[in-house]
Amino acid sequence: AQSVTQPDIHITVSEGASLELRCNYSYGATPYLFWYVQSPGQGLQLLLKYFSGDTLVQGIKGFEAEFKRSQSSFNLRKPSVHWSDAAEYFCAVEEEYGNKLVFGAGTILRVKS
Amino acid sequence: EAGVAQSPRYKIIEKRQSVAFWCNPISGHATLYWYQQILGQGPKLLIQFQNNGVVDDSQLPKDRFSAERLKGVDSTLKIQPAKLEDSAVYLCASTPGEMNTEAFFGQGTRLTVV
Repeated sequence: AQSVTQPDIHITVSEGASLELRCNYSYGATPYLFWYVQSPGQGLQLLLKYFSGDTLVQGIKGFEAEFKRSQSSFNLRKPSVHWSDAAEYFCAVEEEYGNKLVFGAGTILRVKS
Repeated sequence: EAGVAQSPRYKIIEKRQSVAFWCNPISGHATLYWYQQILGQGPKLLIQFQNNGVVDDSQLPKDRFSAERLKGVDSTLKIQPAKLEDSAVYLCASTPGEMNTEAFFGQGTRLTVV
């Protein structure tokens, strides 16, 4: 069965600093990978997704992620964090057939001024 | 385009009581999901509908949880009787039903069982 590991429960970065959130997945075939963001009291919003092709994908709000098959990773990055980026971030993998998402436990991002 | 609508936003009940949540997906979306998100965890799929048929309910605790999607549009999720461990946010999501499409999530219903 698929699984997703987000090793960092909490991360605190200074505003303007760079950010990298880690995600490792376990899946036998080519994975479909996603990053979602959840602000307090809100549903999940898609930041970006990887299905195939270029392993560096661009998303909304200045986020990008890189798929590395050899490391089974799909880390999320942003060059300069804004205070409004404070939220919880979820990495997810989708089964190739069935459209079901398996989520990691999430990483809470705090931004200090 | 209207998003996924869920109600109520919050619900507090006592254990052993029953509760129901409602979801209205994005118009035209054939696939509807219910996820349970316990505090500190990622969302976990409870049930997936394709139109009005169940595709996957393997993670649904069927002794107390039930869900239906009559007419292939709105859906309700019911818990009866509720347990303390059912305290969670219940998220509804929908997709057009094709592969490689984004799932759109509602704001969720936060259930507290006391």
